[in-house]
Amino acid sequence: GNSVTQMEGPVTLSEEAFLTINCTYTATGYPSLFWYVQYPGEGLQLLLKATKADDKGSNKGFEATYRKETTSFHLEKGSVQVSDSAVYFCALSGTGFQKLVFGTGTRLLVSP
Amino acid sequence: DVKVTQSSRYLVKRTGEKVFLECVQDMDHENMFWYRQDPGLGLRLIYFSYDVKMKEKGDIPEGYSVSREKKERFSLILESASTNQTSMYLCASSSHTAGGELFFGEGSRLTVL
Repeated sequence: GNSVTQMEGPVTLSEEAFLTINCTYTATGYPSLFWYVQYPGEGLQLLLKATKADDKGSNKGFEATYRKETTSFHLEKGSVQVSDSAVYFCALSGTGFQKLVFGTGTRLLVSP
Repeated sequence: DVKVTQSSRYLVKRTGEKVFLECVQDMDHENMFWYRQDPGLGLRLIYFSYDVKMKEKGDIPEGYSVSREKKERFSLILESASTNQTSMYLCASSSHTAGGELFFGEGSRLTVL
């Protein structure tokens, strides 16, 4: 079945550092891929998405490219801020009914 | 502002009690979902519904039931709460045409003593 694997956290960075959070997936067909973010005390919200191979999703300085050949959707940001501290979830939506499968989440801690 | 609202942010219940978690969305979405979130396990799907009065089991339905009598409301029921159901519960909704994007509520943190 479909599955998502994310790097374990926490990821600890200083402000303005470069961020990469790895995500790989296993899926049949052509899934859509998502990154969700959960700030402390809140629910999840969509950060970005990509619906086909080689698409790049971007939002708030974050970006991720749908790589079919490596089955990956790594999240990157060139310069993180303290306000980016949150838990990040990679997810995929298979074909047919739109039920998302989530990774286990990666906590990012950014210090001033 | 579009919203998914969960009725209780924090609940404390005793073992064996019946627990209701309510979720309401104002986006006229067809699909609604209940997940639980646990450290190291991410989000796991309990039940979902793609239409009024319709429900489907997710990955971990044991010990739970759901009700969807109206399009905007999806309730999660713990018939007899147990300590291993202590968790964060997240409700979400989506449209058939949204390409899988989910809109989440803020979560209900349930503690079962």
